[in-house]
Amino acid sequence: AQSVSQHNHHVILSEAASLELGCNYSYGGTVNLFWYVQYPGQHLQLLLKYFSGDPLVKGIKGFEAEFIKSKFSFNLRKPSVQWSDTAEYFCAVKYSGGTSYGKLTFGQGTILTVHP
Amino acid sequence: DTGVSQDPRHKITKRGQNVTFRCDPISEHNRLYWYRQTLGQGPEFLTYFQNEAQLEKSRLLSDRFSAERPKGSFSTLEIQRTEQGDSAMYLCASSARGLAGSTVEKNEQYFGPGTRLTVT
Repeated sequence: AQSVSQHNHHVILSEAASLELGCNYSYGGTVNLFWYVQYPGQHLQLLLKYFSGDPLVKGIKGFEAEFIKSKFSFNLRKPSVQWSDTAEYFCAVKYSGGTSYGKLTFGQGTILTVHP
Repeated sequence: DTGVSQDPRHKITKRGQNVTFRCDPISEHNRLYWYRQTLGQGPEFLTYFQNEAQLEKSRLLSDRFSAERPKGSFSTLEIQRTEQGDSAMYLCASSARGLAGSTVEKNEQYFGPGTRLTVT
């Protein structure tokens, strides 16, 4: 079955620390990859996406992610976090082909808490 | 606000009652998805509509669940004879028209705020 795994359930950092959140997905051919963020009390918002081309993609608010095909990974990074980055982060994969119709398979989510 | 909207935002019901949720997608989006999210988990796919046609349903969608999108615009999700295990956040997402004849679209899904269902 297609699955997405996020390595950390809860990450606690101080402001200005660097962030890396892990995401691995099960093999399933061609994939599109996404990171969504959910700030407290708000709905899911797209942070960044990868469809093809440069495996290093940049998103909003200084976030970036790197697609490593050989490792089936799409880790999220930010060099210096801010208190306002406190949120829950979800990795999601869209498997192409067959009858997938574009549905997203999500990881379990990682709660990021940034202390000022 | 031109985003995805959902109604109601919160619903508390007693076990055995029927509930219906509504989703209004972004107006030009022809693809609509329903997901369910339980505490500590990521959203799980329930069903997909392309225009008014329901093209895919998850095994999570038991016979008590039914979804419609009668005119290819808004969608409803009904749960009959609710159970405590149905308590969750129900999310709706929409995305834009893909390439003609393609089952794969490259546009991201925009999510609504969700309907939080509590079954007592």
